[in-house]
Amino acid sequence: DGGITQSPKYLFRKEGQNVTLSCEQNLNHDAMYWYRQDPGQGLRLIYYSQIVNDFQKGDIAEGYSVSREKKESFPLTVTSAQKNPTAFYLCASSKTGGSTDTQYFGPGTRLTVL
Amino acid sequence: GQQVMQIPQYQHVQEGEDFTTYCNSSTTLSNIQWYKQRPGGHPVFLIQLVKSGEVKKQKRLTFQFGEAKKNSSLHITATQTTDVGTYFCAGRGFTGGYQKVTFGTGTKLQVIP
Repeated sequence: DGGITQSPKYLFRKEGQNVTLSCEQNLNHDAMYWYRQDPGQGLRLIYYSQIVNDFQKGDIAEGYSVSREKKESFPLTVTSAQKNPTAFYLCASSKTGGSTDTQYFGPGTRLTVL
Repeated sequence: GQQVMQIPQYQHVQEGEDFTTYCNSSTTLSNIQWYKQRPGGHPVFLIQLVKSGEVKKQKRLTFQFGEAKKNSSLHITATQTTDVGTYFCAGRGFTGGYQKVTFGTGTKLQVIP
């Protein structure tokens, strides 16, 4: 059963704590992405990676960090420097990151910082 | 930078009425994709438009890409309750010498039975 998995579905953290969101894909896709979704603002790109051991900042990278040590995994760390971390986080992957690629999204993680 | 605006933000329609959402980019796009997100779910790819003036149909859904490749629309004929969700466009274009995908703000569709 191919696809993208994100865990956990819901996550609660205290303010000031770092938290890592998991994203795994078994589609053999080269490119992976992290988006943040807030009500009324659509999807905003945090980080993306087109190949293992390489990644680039998106539009709102401040307060976040990523790693891409394996092709199938692209974890996102929300650090205490992120001023407003409560949001719905979506991971996506695409075959090559090329211009006509389709992005496949995971089910998302809803992070609430108390 | 590249900005993609989508209108309306919300739309309530009676079941059986038509629905249209519009997407406008500040820059010329290489292509545009449309996604649907059901309540509580994640975005799912619907279609991609690449050519200037392109029109594609999927059953009751009609997608158009403008001649200038800066705008696009999604039209649903005779809406059904299964059409409920948020529809996003995602425009791909060149900004600062590299390719960038920018999602629109989305149009949330509510269908009243």
